[in-house]
Amino acid sequence: QQQVKQSPQSLIVQKGGISIINCAYENTAFDYFPWYQQFPGKGPALLIAIRPDVSEKKEGRFTISFNKSAKQFSLHIMDSQPGDSATYFCAASIANTGKLIFGQGTTLQVKP
Amino acid sequence: ETGVTQSPTHLIKTRGQQVTLRCSSQSGHNTVSWYQQALGQGPQFIFQYYREEENGRGNFPPRFSGLQFPNYSSELNVNALELDDSALYLCASSLVKGSGTGELFFGEGSRLTVL
Repeated sequence: QQQVKQSPQSLIVQKGGISIINCAYENTAFDYFPWYQQFPGKGPALLIAIRPDVSEKKEGRFTISFNKSAKQFSLHIMDSQPGDSATYFCAASIANTGKLIFGQGTTLQVKP
Repeated sequence: ETGVTQSPTHLIKTRGQQVTLRCSSQSGHNTVSWYQQALGQGPQFIFQYYREEENGRGNFPPRFSGLQFPNYSSELNVNALELDDSALYLCASSLVKGSGTGELFFGEGSRLTVL
């Protein structure tokens, strides 16, 4: 019940295309859903986050779509660029527990 | 404003040994969390410290222990190392007590190899 399942494991997209990564969770007590981006040799960095009271959040080329009834959320990267090539992790937590549950990660490669 | 710094960046130990990893949190942050990231996996929560006290722990055995100091820096100690402890250990600091209300800022990690 504490798991966050992420798919696909890897993704190859052409430059300018749309990258879509999906996550699903079981614990309905989760109320904070961030996405982290990790480059090789670096720690994860927060990309964008959403709370379940909204269905969509957009920041630049990055959008989170959230479906509370299906317990699913996804990251859309519009106009994907080679610089977006990285590993992306979805995560979930219950407020104030200090414990992020991460998905398994998606390795994105954007081809020029 | 300095970011989260971790030391050492890489280290090699043998089974049964003990290791101490260190983390300096971002300026002004009072909460430090530690995560273990095995190769090809997502980070797994080990524990969190808020104002020098443990504030939540993941599914890790007691041989994983930690400390937070008055300046909010932190240590992760692992005793009786096992081969499966080989991983990247990430430290993250934040300004509020729970990660649900504040962004986590990660360091670049300490890569531990256990032989």
